[in-house]
Amino acid sequence: AQSVAQPEDQVNVAEGNPLTVKCTYSVSGNPYLFWYVQYPNRGLQFLLKYITGDNLVKGSYGFEAEFNKSQTSFHLKKPSALVSDSALYFCAFNDYKLSFGAGTTVTVRA
Amino acid sequence: DSGVTQTPKHLITATGQRVTLRCSPRSGDLSVYWYQQSLDQGLQFLIHYYNGEERAKGNILERFSAQQFPDLHSELNLSSLELGDSALYFCASSVGDRGSVAFFGQGTRLTVV
Repeated sequence: AQSVAQPEDQVNVAEGNPLTVKCTYSVSGNPYLFWYVQYPNRGLQFLLKYITGDNLVKGSYGFEAEFNKSQTSFHLKKPSALVSDSALYFCAFNDYKLSFGAGTTVTVRA
Repeated sequence: DSGVTQTPKHLITATGQRVTLRCSPRSGDLSVYWYQQSLDQGLQFLIHYYNGEERAKGNILERFSAQQFPDLHSELNLSSLELGDSALYFCASSVGDRGSVAFFGQGTRLTVV
């Protein structure tokens, strides 16, 4: 079955340090991959997507993600994390079922 | 504000009852997705409608049903409710299907007592 996996339940970083949230995919054909963020008691917000083209995708709030076909990964990155980046992050793919990984809780400490 | 409206925001009901959750997509969006989010199950895809037709179905229980109307709003019907159905239910809408960005509503928090 097609899926995305987020191997880390939690990521903790200090403010100003680089942030990486990992995602691997098992999707046949050309994967349509997305990253979303969820703040407490809110709906999900779109960060970025990869459909085709450049492997490095730039998104909202300074986030970017690199599509790596050989490693079947789509990791989310931010060069310098902010306390306000603390939230729940979801990787997703869309094969008409927009399906999400289990989520990674990011905590950025001041 | 994503432009996706879900009503009601909160719903408390008893076991065995039936409820209807409503989703109004963003203007111009043809796709509507429904999700159930609970602490132990994460974000579970339920169903996807595109321009009134069912496009994909997830592990949606037989007690649950949905439809998308000609004006593109959608309703999720939950019947014979059980305690385990307590969760946050989200809908999302997008212009197209696979490659389009989905915008999420604020969710309906359902509590079954």
